[in-house]
Amino acid sequence: EAGVTQFPSHSVIEKGQTVTLRCDPISGHDNLYWYRRVMGKEIKFLLHFVKESKQDESGMPNNRFLAERTGGTYSTLKVQPAELEDSGVYFCASSPRGRTNSGNTIYFGEGSWLTVV
Amino acid sequence: QKEVEQDPGPLSVPEGAIVSLNCTYSNSAFQYFMWYRQYSRKGPELLMYTYSSGNKEDGRFTAQVDKSSKYISLFIRDSQPSDSATYLCAMSPGYSSASKIIFGSGTRLSIRP
Repeated sequence: EAGVTQFPSHSVIEKGQTVTLRCDPISGHDNLYWYRRVMGKEIKFLLHFVKESKQDESGMPNNRFLAERTGGTYSTLKVQPAELEDSGVYFCASSPRGRTNSGNTIYFGEGSWLTVV
Repeated sequence: QKEVEQDPGPLSVPEGAIVSLNCTYSNSAFQYFMWYRQYSRKGPELLMYTYSSGNKEDGRFTAQVDKSSKYISLFIRDSQPSDSATYLCAMSPGYSSASKIIFGSGTRLSIRP
């Protein structure tokens, strides 16, 4: 079974440009999460989709960030325009609907490393 | 003050040693405690979880929670070079949603052959 996949794995863009990150969750997982870790900081929650609906977007830092999950499958996270402080690693994670026998297990992708210069 | 404090290390120990990793926290509402392992350039992987206080053992790994002291630990026995990774503690008020998970900053662990 394929895990959570993210694209691109690395991206270097100039300040003011736009970047779109993509996440393909594990097949059948209704829950999809975006997290990020900026340099020297902890992993922080950004938002949570249940299928195509935004369940919780309380962690989105500002309106330069736009997340979508059309059709309830893959998700995109767009940063427009990018700022220097947006540099970091963006993780996507997914989990099946409801509580599993493994507790609140979420499965992370390898991350998309973003550098804004 | 951060909700979760974790010593970033790095921590380097010889193969076979017992490793102790720790986190402290300030929010008494946390009930669900997790340890993630993250290899270089990979995503975090859930290693163990415990609910409320107590111990949990899984092979060479033991997780301990002391809610009275707001202190959690992960012990690794007979450490192996393959255990070299960053270990993140994480916690939340409950199972309810991964959006409530608060992560520690991670401890880099290196096991010397």
